[in-house]
Amino acid sequence: EPEVTQTPSHQVTQMGQEVILRCVPISNHLYFYWYRQILGQKVEFLVSFYNNEISEKSEIFDDQFSVERPDGSNFTLKIRSTKLEDSAMYFCASSGEPRTDTQYFGPGTRLTVL
Amino acid sequence: KNEVEQSPQNLTAQEGEFITINCSYSVGISALHWLQQHPGGGIVSLFMLSSGKKKHGRLIATINIQEKHSSLHITASHPRDSAVYICAETSGSRLTFGEGTQLTVNP
Repeated sequence: EPEVTQTPSHQVTQMGQEVILRCVPISNHLYFYWYRQILGQKVEFLVSFYNNEISEKSEIFDDQFSVERPDGSNFTLKIRSTKLEDSAMYFCASSGEPRTDTQYFGPGTRLTVL
Repeated sequence: KNEVEQSPQNLTAQEGEFITINCSYSVGISALHWLQQHPGGGIVSLFMLSSGKKKHGRLIATINIQEKHSSLHITASHPRDSAVYICAETSGSRLTFGEGTQLTVNP
Protein backbone atom coordinates (compact mmCIF):
# COMPACT_ATOMS: atom_id res chain seq x y z
CA GLU A 1 0.00 0.00 0.00
CA PRO A 2 1.37 3.47 -0.85
CA GLU A 3 2.55 5.51 2.10
CA VAL A 4 3.92 8.91 2.96
CA THR A 5 7.55 8.82 4.04
CA GLN A 6 9.53 11.40 6.00
CA THR A 7 13.23 11.92 6.66
CA PRO A 8 14.94 12.20 9.00
CA SER A 9 12.99 10.51 11.77
CA HIS A 10 14.81 12.62 14.35
CA GLN A 11 16.71 15.86 13.87
CA VAL A 12 18.68 17.63 16.58
CA THR A 13 19.87 21.16 15.87
CA GLN A 14 21.22 24.21 17.59
CA MET A 15 19.08 27.29 18.05
CA GLY A 16 19.49 29.63 15.09
CA GLN A 17 20.37 26.90 12.61
CA GLU A 18 18.39 26.14 9.49
CA VAL A 19 16.69 22.77 9.14
CA ILE A 20 15.00 21.10 6.20
CA LEU A 21 12.47 18.36 6.81
CA ARG A 22 11.73 16.11 3.88
CA CYS A 23 8.62 14.25 2.84
CA VAL A 24 7.71 12.02 -0.08
CA PRO A 25 3.90 12.17 -0.51
CA ILE A 26 1.83 9.47 -2.15
CA SER A 27 2.53 9.75 -5.85
CA ASN A 28 -0.91 10.49 -7.28
CA HIS A 29 -1.93 12.91 -4.53
CA LEU A 30 -2.40 16.58 -5.32
CA TYR A 31 -2.48 18.29 -1.92
CA PHE A 32 0.37 18.28 0.57
CA TYR A 33 0.38 19.43 4.17
CA TRP A 34 2.62 20.06 7.12
CA TYR A 35 1.39 19.78 10.69
CA ARG A 36 3.24 19.98 13.95
CA GLN A 37 2.63 18.60 17.43
CA ILE A 38 4.44 20.05 20.40
CA LEU A 39 4.95 17.43 23.10
CA GLY A 40 1.77 16.97 25.12
CA GLN A 41 -0.29 19.27 22.88
CA LYS A 42 -2.70 18.80 20.02
CA VAL A 43 -1.75 18.57 16.37
CA GLU A 44 -1.69 21.97 14.64
CA PHE A 45 -1.98 22.84 10.97
CA LEU A 46 0.95 24.70 9.45
CA VAL A 47 0.44 24.86 5.69
CA SER A 48 -1.22 23.25 2.70
CA PHE A 49 0.28 23.20 -0.79
CA TYR A 50 -1.37 22.62 -4.15
CA ASN A 51 -0.27 23.15 -7.72
CA ASN A 52 3.16 24.39 -6.64
CA GLU A 53 1.91 27.10 -4.36
CA ILE A 54 0.69 27.58 -0.81
CA SER A 55 -3.06 26.98 -0.61
CA GLU A 56 -3.53 27.92 3.03
CA LYS A 57 -1.28 28.68 5.97
CA SER A 58 -1.81 29.18 9.68
CA GLU A 59 -0.64 32.02 11.88
CA ILE A 60 2.17 29.74 13.06
CA PHE A 61 3.61 29.62 9.54
CA ASP A 62 5.52 32.90 9.64
CA ASP A 63 8.46 34.13 7.57
CA GLN A 64 10.78 31.63 9.26
CA PHE A 65 9.00 28.80 7.50
CA SER A 66 8.92 27.92 3.83
CA VAL A 67 7.78 24.96 1.77
CA GLU A 68 8.94 23.70 -1.56
CA ARG A 69 8.36 20.88 -3.99
CA PRO A 70 11.81 20.83 -5.56
CA ASP A 71 11.12 17.90 -7.86
CA GLY A 72 8.27 15.57 -8.75
CA SER A 73 8.42 13.57 -5.55
CA ASN A 74 9.78 15.51 -2.57
CA PHE A 75 7.97 18.10 -0.44
CA THR A 76 10.10 20.01 2.05
CA LEU A 77 9.60 22.24 5.05
CA LYS A 78 12.41 24.65 5.84
CA ILE A 79 12.81 26.49 9.10
CA ARG A 80 15.34 29.27 8.55
CA SER A 81 16.48 30.09 12.08
CA THR A 82 15.22 27.58 14.58
CA LYS A 83 13.99 28.58 18.02
CA LEU A 84 13.63 26.45 21.13
CA GLU A 85 9.85 26.56 20.69
CA ASP A 86 10.13 24.93 17.26
CA SER A 87 10.90 21.65 19.03
CA ALA A 88 8.02 19.38 18.04
CA MET A 89 6.98 16.42 15.94
CA TYR A 90 6.40 17.51 12.36
CA PHE A 91 4.00 15.48 10.27
CA CYS A 92 3.67 15.59 6.52
CA ALA A 93 0.41 14.47 4.92
CA SER A 94 -1.00 14.18 1.43
CA SER A 95 -4.42 13.74 -0.13
CA GLY A 96 -6.51 14.10 -3.20
CA GLU A 97 -9.20 16.77 -2.94
CA PRO A 98 -9.22 17.80 0.78
CA ARG A 99 -13.00 18.20 1.02
CA THR A 100 -13.67 14.64 -0.09
CA ASP A 101 -10.50 12.60 0.40
CA THR A 102 -8.68 11.19 3.39
CA GLN A 103 -5.35 12.68 4.38
CA TYR A 104 -2.53 10.16 4.75
CA PHE A 105 0.11 11.00 7.32
CA GLY A 106 3.80 10.25 7.36
CA PRO A 107 5.47 8.85 10.48
CA GLY A 108 6.75 12.27 11.54
CA THR A 109 10.11 13.93 12.15
CA ARG A 110 10.95 14.73 15.74
CA LEU A 111 12.80 18.06 15.78
CA THR A 112 14.77 18.95 18.88
CA VAL A 113 16.21 22.45 19.09
CA LEU A 114 18.92 22.91 21.74
CA LYS B 1 -12.65 30.56 14.89
CA ASN B 2 -13.00 26.80 14.41
CA GLU B 3 -13.09 24.92 17.69
CA VAL B 4 -13.15 21.16 18.06
CA GLU B 5 -13.89 19.75 21.48
CA GLN B 6 -13.65 16.13 22.53
CA SER B 7 -14.82 14.26 25.56
CA PRO B 8 -13.72 12.55 27.61
CA GLN B 9 -10.05 13.54 27.75
CA ASN B 10 -9.11 10.19 29.24
CA LEU B 11 -10.99 6.92 29.19
CA THR B 12 -10.13 3.62 30.84
CA ALA B 13 -12.13 0.51 29.97
CA GLN B 14 -12.06 -3.21 30.55
CA GLU B 15 -11.57 -5.50 27.60
CA GLY B 16 -14.87 -6.19 25.88
CA GLU B 17 -16.57 -2.95 26.89
CA PHE B 18 -18.42 -0.71 24.45
CA ILE B 19 -16.68 2.66 24.15
CA THR B 20 -17.96 6.03 23.00
CA ILE B 21 -15.88 9.14 22.35
CA ASN B 22 -17.64 12.39 21.56
CA CYS B 23 -16.69 15.37 19.43
CA SER B 24 -18.38 18.71 18.90
CA TYR B 25 -17.38 21.41 16.47
CA SER B 26 -18.30 25.03 16.18
CA VAL B 27 -18.71 25.99 12.53
CA GLY B 28 -19.97 24.51 9.31
CA ILE B 29 -17.56 21.95 7.93
CA SER B 30 -17.04 19.97 4.78
CA ALA B 31 -16.01 16.78 6.59
CA LEU B 32 -15.23 15.38 10.02
CA HIS B 33 -12.32 13.02 10.58
CA TRP B 34 -11.52 10.48 13.23
CA LEU B 35 -7.85 9.57 13.55
CA GLN B 36 -5.84 7.28 15.77
CA GLN B 37 -2.45 8.22 17.16
CA HIS B 38 -0.32 5.34 18.34
CA PRO B 39 2.03 5.56 21.34
CA GLY B 40 4.96 5.94 18.93
CA GLY B 41 3.33 9.06 17.48
CA GLY B 42 2.11 7.82 14.09
CA ILE B 43 -1.30 9.10 12.93
CA VAL B 44 -3.74 6.90 11.03
CA SER B 45 -6.99 8.07 9.51
CA LEU B 46 -9.93 5.95 10.66
CA PHE B 47 -12.94 7.69 9.15
CA MET B 48 -13.87 10.70 7.11
CA LEU B 49 -17.56 11.51 7.12
CA SER B 50 -19.86 14.35 6.21
CA SER B 51 -23.20 12.74 7.05
CA GLY B 52 -24.76 9.66 8.60
CA LYS B 53 -22.72 6.74 9.80
CA LYS B 54 -19.70 4.67 8.76
CA LYS B 55 -18.53 1.31 10.05
CA HIS B 56 -15.20 -0.46 9.76
CA GLY B 57 -14.79 -3.66 11.71
CA ARG B 58 -15.47 -2.89 15.37
CA LEU B 59 -15.38 0.87 14.82
CA ILE B 60 -18.43 2.98 14.06
CA ALA B 61 -18.51 6.73 13.47
CA THR B 62 -21.63 8.87 13.37
CA ILE B 63 -22.23 12.52 12.69
CA ASN B 64 -25.17 14.84 13.31
CA ILE B 65 -24.71 17.91 11.13
CA GLN B 66 -27.56 19.89 12.73
CA GLU B 67 -26.13 19.40 16.23
CA LYS B 68 -22.49 19.71 15.05
CA HIS B 69 -21.67 16.53 16.91
CA SER B 70 -19.92 13.28 16.07
CA SER B 71 -19.25 10.10 17.99
CA LEU B 72 -16.75 7.28 17.62
CA HIS B 73 -17.82 3.93 19.02
CA ILE B 74 -15.67 0.86 19.58
CA THR B 75 -17.47 -2.42 20.15
CA ALA B 76 -15.86 -5.32 22.03
CA SER B 77 -12.84 -3.22 22.96
CA HIS B 78 -9.41 -4.85 23.10
CA PRO B 79 -6.11 -3.79 24.68
CA ARG B 80 -4.69 -3.17 21.20
CA ASP B 81 -7.30 -0.39 20.82
CA SER B 82 -5.35 1.60 23.41
CA ALA B 83 -4.29 4.82 21.69
CA VAL B 84 -5.21 8.49 21.40
CA TYR B 85 -8.31 9.07 19.28
CA ILE B 86 -8.52 12.45 17.64
CA CYS B 87 -11.41 14.24 16.02
CA ALA B 88 -10.59 16.81 13.34
CA GLU B 89 -12.68 18.96 11.04
CA THR B 90 -11.94 19.94 7.48
CA SER B 91 -12.44 23.60 6.76
CA GLY B 92 -10.93 24.75 3.51
CA SER B 93 -7.83 22.65 2.94
CA ARG B 94 -6.79 22.41 6.59
CA LEU B 95 -7.61 20.02 9.39
CA THR B 96 -8.39 21.53 12.78
CA PHE B 97 -7.74 18.98 15.50
CA GLY B 98 -9.28 18.31 18.87
CA GLU B 99 -7.15 17.63 21.92
CA GLY B 100 -7.61 13.88 21.60
CA THR B 101 -8.97 11.20 23.91
CA GLN B 102 -6.46 8.89 25.55
CA LEU B 103 -8.06 5.43 25.60
CA THR B 104 -6.64 2.64 27.73
CA VAL B 105 -8.22 -0.80 27.50
CA ASN B 106 -7.17 -3.16 30.26
CA PRO B 107 -7.17 -6.94 29.81
